Amino acid sequence: QKEVEQNSGPLSVPEGAIASLNCTYSDRGSQSFFWYRQYSGKSPELIMFIYSNGDKEDGRFTAQLNKASQYVSLLIRDSQPSDSATYLCAVNEAAGNKLTFGGGTRVLVKP
Amino acid sequence: DAGITQSPRHKVTETGTPVTLRCHQTENHRYMYWYRQDPGHGLRLIHYSYGVKDTDKGEVSDGYSVSRSKTEDFLLTLESATSSQTSVYFCAIRDGQGYTEAFFGQGTRLTVV
Repeated sequence: QKEVEQNSGPLSVPEGAIASLNCTYSDRGSQSFFWYRQYSGKSPELIMFIYSNGDKEDGRFTAQLNKASQYVSLLIRDSQPSDSATYLCAVNEAAGNKLTFGGGTRVLVKP
Repeated sequence: DAGITQSPRHKVTETGTPVTLRCHQTENHRYMYWYRQDPGHGLRLIHYSYGVKDTDKGEVSDGYSVSRSKTEDFLLTLESATSSQTSVYFCAIRDGQGYTEAFFGQGTRLTVV
């Protein structure tokens, strides 16, 4: 069974600091990777996706992918209280179109 | 917002009864997914569909069945509800595979008593 692992947290960061979230996956052939944010009681919403090794930046968010080590990370710069949420890592399996999620990391940004 | 609607939004049912949840989309997306979300488990895939009448199992499919007779509708049925199926259920849609984003419905909170 393909697995996607995340630290459940909570990850507590002061306002203005960098939050660093990690995700590891077991399917070595996985090609695309997604980070979703989910506020309590709401649906997940996409923050960004990445499919090439290296970094991808979008505003205050940076996704990093290392396929050799099978991990993907998300950095949130200048963290704001509004960033307090659960962040879900999702991996598209190599074969087909299954999208597998990790358990999520809860982030708390303290003013 | 992506045109995806789940119904009902909340439901309480008794153990042993059948329950059907509906996911309706207006985006004409090919792929549709049913997930359940429980504390500490993230989103776990139940079943998904890659076209009309084309479905496949996910990691937690036991006790669930699905049907897709039209592009826009994907139904999830709990054949005989159990308390372990108390959860929040999310439907997601996706235009293509691989590199495309999945959009989620609002979720259905199901309680089995």
